[in-house]
Amino acid sequence: EAQVTQNPRYLITVTGKKLTVTCSQNMNHEYMSWYRQDPGLGLRQIYYSMNVEVTDKGDVPEGYKVSRKEKRNFPLILESPSPNQTSLYFCASSPDSGPYSNQPQHFGDGTRLSIL
Amino acid sequence: TQLLEQSPQFLSIQEGENLTVYCNSSSVFSSLQWYRQEPGEGPVLLVTVVTGGEVKKLKRLTFQFGDARKDSSLHITAAQPGDTGLYLCAGVGGNTGKLIFGQGTTLQVKP
Repeated sequence: EAQVTQNPRYLITVTGKKLTVTCSQNMNHEYMSWYRQDPGLGLRQIYYSMNVEVTDKGDVPEGYKVSRKEKRNFPLILESPSPNQTSLYFCASSPDSGPYSNQPQHFGDGTRLSIL
Repeated sequence: TQLLEQSPQFLSIQEGENLTVYCNSSSVFSSLQWYRQEPGEGPVLLVTVVTGGEVKKLKRLTFQFGDARKDSSLHITAAQPGDTGLYLCAGVGGNTGKLIFGQGTTLQVKP
């Protein structure tokens, strides 16, 4: 089954304790991205990757890191989490990596992070 | 910065009623997507509209892209409780080529 898998689904942690949210897709998609979803703000892009070893900042990259060492995996790293990073996070992938692409985004089921 | 404004943000209606959700911008988009998101899940694509004035139908859902490609609407006829969810529009910026999401419309359809 074609899917985007995120882990963990839920995490409660404390300020400053490094954490990684994993994301894996089995559709051989070139484009992957991370979003955060907050009430009233919709989905905001954190980072994206057009291909292996190619990553770039989205609209809200501060406090986050990513890597793309393999095509299927795109982990999101919070080196020193803070309470304002409490949010619902989504990983997404898409076949087409270019701008102006109208290819659909395939989303994972989300990771709810609470930073105390 | 291109923005997409969705309205209304919340909608609670009775089963059988009709409704329209709007997605507006002052900027042109090269295409526009509509997603639906249910609790505990990620958004799922419903439709993509590309041409100005385009109308697409998906059972009881009708999607329209404005002639100038600056706005879009989603109309649901005879809403059902199964239509309950968060509806998101997302536009591919005409200048940037980036995908931009609206804030979403939370729809509740009561039996």
